[in-house]
Amino acid sequence: AQSVSQHNHHVILSEAASLELGCNYSYGGTVNLFWYVQYPGQHLQLLLKYFSGDPLVKGIKGFEAEFIKSKFSFNLRKPSVQWSDTAEYFCAVLNTDKLIFGTGTRLQVFP
Amino acid sequence: GAVVSQHPSRVICKSGTSVKIECRSLDFQATTMFWYRQFPKQSLMLMATSNEGSKATYEQGVEKDKFLINHASLTLSTLTVTSAHPEDSSFYICSARDLDRALGYTFGSGTRLTVV
Repeated sequence: AQSVSQHNHHVILSEAASLELGCNYSYGGTVNLFWYVQYPGQHLQLLLKYFSGDPLVKGIKGFEAEFIKSKFSFNLRKPSVQWSDTAEYFCAVLNTDKLIFGTGTRLQVFP
Repeated sequence: GAVVSQHPSRVICKSGTSVKIECRSLDFQATTMFWYRQFPKQSLMLMATSNEGSKATYEQGVEKDKFLINHASLTLSTLTVTSAHPEDSSFYICSARDLDRALGYTFGSGTRLTVV
């Protein structure tokens, strides 16, 4: 079954710094990938998703992710983070009809 | 957009009692809902897939007799934690799939269960 791994468990950045969070999926073939964000005390929200087509996916709030098949990766990026981006970020893969999540990355952005 | 309402948001119960958590899709019909469990500072672990009108499908290692799932209508799934113990304390999250939105999964706000 498909799975994802996130290598960065805790990232601390200053405002305006660039962000890249790693996500690797387990094996090739057709893959549907997602990035979700969980702000403190709130529910999971979809940032972006990849099904097929353009490997560079634009999401909400200035986030983007690039699907690199050769590296089995789907890293999340943002050129300039804000304090309000402080949250937990989850990469997820669709396994038949079930979303399987990575371990999450806690991002803290300091002013 | 699609909204999933989860209730209660917090519950404290005594060991040995049962707790029911509700998950409702407010503006769409969900033939399939999913129940996750999230431990502090950890990821969401899928517990079971709830299917309207049929038995839930449990993931490996999840006790079906302890975590009872009922999906009696297209907009409501319930998770009942039976004979709760302190180790069942966790954050439970439901998710529903809106088939009208291609591969769209909407999440409830979660339920913090504390068993004392």
